[in-house]
Amino acid sequence: DTAVSQTPKYLVTQMGNDKSIKCEQNLGHDTMYWYKQDSKKFLKIMFSYNNKELIINETVPNRFSPKSPDKAHLNLHINSLELGDSAVYFCASSRNYEQYFGPGTRLTVT
Amino acid sequence: RKEVEQDPGPFNVPEGATVAFNCTYSNSASQSFFWYRQDCRKEPKLLMSVYSSGNEDGRFTAQLNRASQYISLLIRDSKLSDSATYLCVVNVGDAGNMLTFGGGTRLMVKP
Repeated sequence: DTAVSQTPKYLVTQMGNDKSIKCEQNLGHDTMYWYKQDSKKFLKIMFSYNNKELIINETVPNRFSPKSPDKAHLNLHINSLELGDSAVYFCASSRNYEQYFGPGTRLTVT
Repeated sequence: RKEVEQDPGPFNVPEGATVAFNCTYSNSASQSFFWYRQDCRKEPKLLMSVYSSGNEDGRFTAQLNRASQYISLLIRDSKLSDSATYLCVVNVGDAGNMLTFGGGTRLMVKP
């Protein structure tokens, strides 16, 4: 069974659109995360969320917003997409320090 | 200065070779250290945690030098399947348990 799953795997959209990426974990973890990996392969934390507290990386534009309907899900909503948003977005979850990553969503903004 | 710095490589080594990667981190308050492995177009996966006393897992040995703020990973008897990008990862222990990743070191093991 997949531990951390994301949909869609690929997303191609135009500038200015609003899109969402879904993430689900079946590990019973308390904390979930979103990361962005750009074309230079740097992986950067965007959000940490443990259903009580949202920690936001201060460099993340407010066009990005995480939404958690329940403990097992943390979706990423992006408003007014820009060319620079093109990247691979990884969801992850953890109980302690080890983080388990989803397979990634490759977002291309044209 | 990047928070976590690594030589991007690539390191091209023959099968059976021993190869070592280093990583430096800038935040002296960092508390936890890890090596993750990322295969091409795949998600990162934890390879091993790094403890102050150093630790070994099969062919892999990790070392931490807090005074100099660097972490190392040694791979002995390299296999073709070791070809991947190795990510040095640091946790400063702040709220949110967020990890800071280095840019990764690419390893290519050749027959």
